[in-house]
Amino acid sequence: QKEVEQNSGPLSVPEGAIASLNCTYSDRGSQSFFWYRQYSGKSPELIMSIYSNGDKEDGRFTAQLNKASQYVSLLIRDSQPSDSATYLCAVNKVGAAGNKLTFGGGTRVLVKP
Amino acid sequence: NAGVMQNPRHLVRRRGQEARLRCSPMKGHSHVYWYRQLPEEGLKFMVYLQKENIIDESGMPKERFSAEFPKEGPSILRIQQVVRGDSAAYFCASSLSRGNTGELFFGEGSRLTVL
Repeated sequence: QKEVEQNSGPLSVPEGAIASLNCTYSDRGSQSFFWYRQYSGKSPELIMSIYSNGDKEDGRFTAQLNKASQYVSLLIRDSQPSDSATYLCAVNKVGAAGNKLTFGGGTRVLVKP
Repeated sequence: NAGVMQNPRHLVRRRGQEARLRCSPMKGHSHVYWYRQLPEEGLKFMVYLQKENIIDESGMPKERFSAEFPKEGPSILRIQQVVRGDSAAYFCASSLSRGNTGELFFGEGSRLTVL
């Protein structure tokens, strides 16, 4: 079992619809969870962080965390073609030094006009 | 540009040669992380350094790979006797503090191709 798992996609979403991305993790004691966006050939950039169970909203993005079920999700509302990218789920495991993150393989999202 | 600077952006080496990748963290950042990304895969942690110290090298291959972050100058990831399997994008990231905010600032990456 991978430490952080994501469906590789591609997830095809019509413009204006909601894109729903899921991520599961194996380390039950993990405390911090993050979503990074990576455009093709570019560097990852942090778009959301979540630390406690429930929802966290930031603009068109909503992160959801359920520690009991060990999953974290990302919703992108009103999807735009510019949202087409790979979304990486990352976890800061218990005992990890500093900001050492464990990443999932990423979900590729394609938003079609 | 006060961001994380990596060079070279692209590097081509023949099998058996050495590759040196450099990373200058964001101004004021003293924590550096190196990650490797194979095509169509996620980021794999390699090493975490502070100035003059290796904090966590659990992701580094046992042979041929080394990293340093000297008191002066950039962090360097060195790969000796490269093989085709070393072809990948190598990303450097920096953070301001030791805490686990998860906010890593990534450079644009160095793409190594081994012929």
